[in-house]
Amino acid sequence: AQTVTQSQPEMSVQEAETVTLSCTYDTSESDYYLFWYKQPPSRQMILVIRQEAYKQQNATENRFSVNFQKAAKSFSLKISDSQLGDAAMYFCAYRRGGSQGNLIFGKGTKLSVKP
Amino acid sequence: EPEVTQTPSHQVTQMGQEVILRCVPISNHLYFYWYRQILGQKVEFLVSFYNNEISEKSEIFDDQFSVERPDGSNFTLKIRSTKLEDSAMYFCASTPDRKGHGYTFGSGTRLTVV
Repeated sequence: AQTVTQSQPEMSVQEAETVTLSCTYDTSESDYYLFWYKQPPSRQMILVIRQEAYKQQNATENRFSVNFQKAAKSFSLKISDSQLGDAAMYFCAYRRGGSQGNLIFGKGTKLSVKP
Repeated sequence: EPEVTQTPSHQVTQMGQEVILRCVPISNHLYFYWYRQILGQKVEFLVSFYNNEISEKSEIFDDQFSVERPDGSNFTLKIRSTKLEDSAMYFCASTPDRKGHGYTFGSGTRLTVV
C-alpha cells in the first residue's frame, strides 16, 4: 500500500525567508501524481502545486516550487519570500495514476511565519 | 473560478440521528469524492463516485455511509446513525478526469455529534 510521510510536524520561518517542507512516499507504481495542499485555519483545502511523476521538470507556482526526486521518492516543497499568509497546515498527497484517483495524505506540517 | 460548494458549513446532530451532507461539484467534472478529517489528524479518503456508482471506497466507508447523486448537480453523503466518532470535517472534491487535473476541494462541512 502507498504511504506518505511528512517528518516535520511543525516548522517556522521568518517573513521574507525561504523554507522547505519535506515529504517522502512509498509506492511500487511508476505512474502517479503528487500534490501539496495548504489548509489555513478556515480548514479549507487549497491546492498549492501538482507534479506528474513522468515529468522530470520540477513544478513551480510563483513563490512555491518542488524538488521532486523520483528515485529517492522525495517531494519537498520550497516556499520563497515567505509571507504571513503562508502560515497554515501543509499536506503532501499522492494519487495513483490510471485509477479512480483517491488521494493519500501525509499527516501534515504546521508552518508558522514570524514577522 | 469554478468552485465545489458544500452545505451546511457546520452541522450539530444528536448521536443516532441521520445526517445528509450536500455538495455541488464543478459542473463539467465527472469524478466525485468524499474525504474526512478528524480534528488534528490527516485527511482520509472515504469514497469515490463515477458514472452514478461507487468506484472505490475505504474501510471507513461502512454500511452506515451512503452516497447519492440524486440529480445532475448535487452529490450527497448520508450517515445513517451518527456516532460520536463521526465528528469531523467532511470534504467533497471533484475532478474532470483520472489524471489529477483540477482536483478541487469544497470548503468542508464540520459535523459535530453530541
